[in-house]
Amino acid sequence: GAGVSQTPSNKVTEKGKYVELRCDPISGHTALYWYRQSLGQGPEFLIYFQGTGAADDSGLPNDRFFAVRPEGSVSTLKIQRTERGDSAVYLCASSLSPATNTEAFFGQGTRLTVV
Amino acid sequence: DAKTTQPTSMDCAEGRAANLPCNHSTISGNEYVYWYRQIHSQGPQYIIHGLKNNETNEMASLIITEDRKSSTLILPHATLRDTAVYYCIVRVSGNTGKLIFGQGTTLQVKP
Repeated sequence: GAGVSQTPSNKVTEKGKYVELRCDPISGHTALYWYRQSLGQGPEFLIYFQGTGAADDSGLPNDRFFAVRPEGSVSTLKIQRTERGDSAVYLCASSLSPATNTEAFFGQGTRLTVV
Repeated sequence: DAKTTQPTSMDCAEGRAANLPCNHSTISGNEYVYWYRQIHSQGPQYIIHGLKNNETNEMASLIITEDRKSSTLILPHATLRDTAVYYCIVRVSGNTGKLIFGQGTTLQVKP
């Protein structure tokens, strides 16, 4: 079956522009997570969705970052007024549930470059 | 903050077992230990997880000490394709189940 799909795989944008990154989770997975990974670092948690609601957005760095999951499946991470420091790989993961004994599967990520 | 500590890097000879240690001394009773690995330019790949019993699957074995304060991931016959960053993670209990990554161990498998 299909895994977690993220599009685009690469995105180059100019400083100050708005970008949207898309995540298609594994079918039936209710839990969805966004992470950000800078070069040489481990992935950093951004936000968690259980169904349609953002149950934990404690990792979002500031109010330029926003994410939605309107129908409880596909999620979009939105970044306004992009800055060069936003350049990173953005990873999405999904899990059957948030229970601690269910594995989470990651997509290949979207590499965002802000020039 | 990550609840695990791992060595920064390790080497292993091809065909030999790779044993990757992890300390998680503050783990809570209902928190699972997860291992992921990340090969360059790819998303993290799930390997294995466990609570207190040793676990084995087609990829690896996980040995958890009786006091649950540390664990070891074992790749029984390492290949060059196992070269990657390996993350030991304690999955947060509660409502989110989020994974908090540390720096991981860079495993270099050498011919």
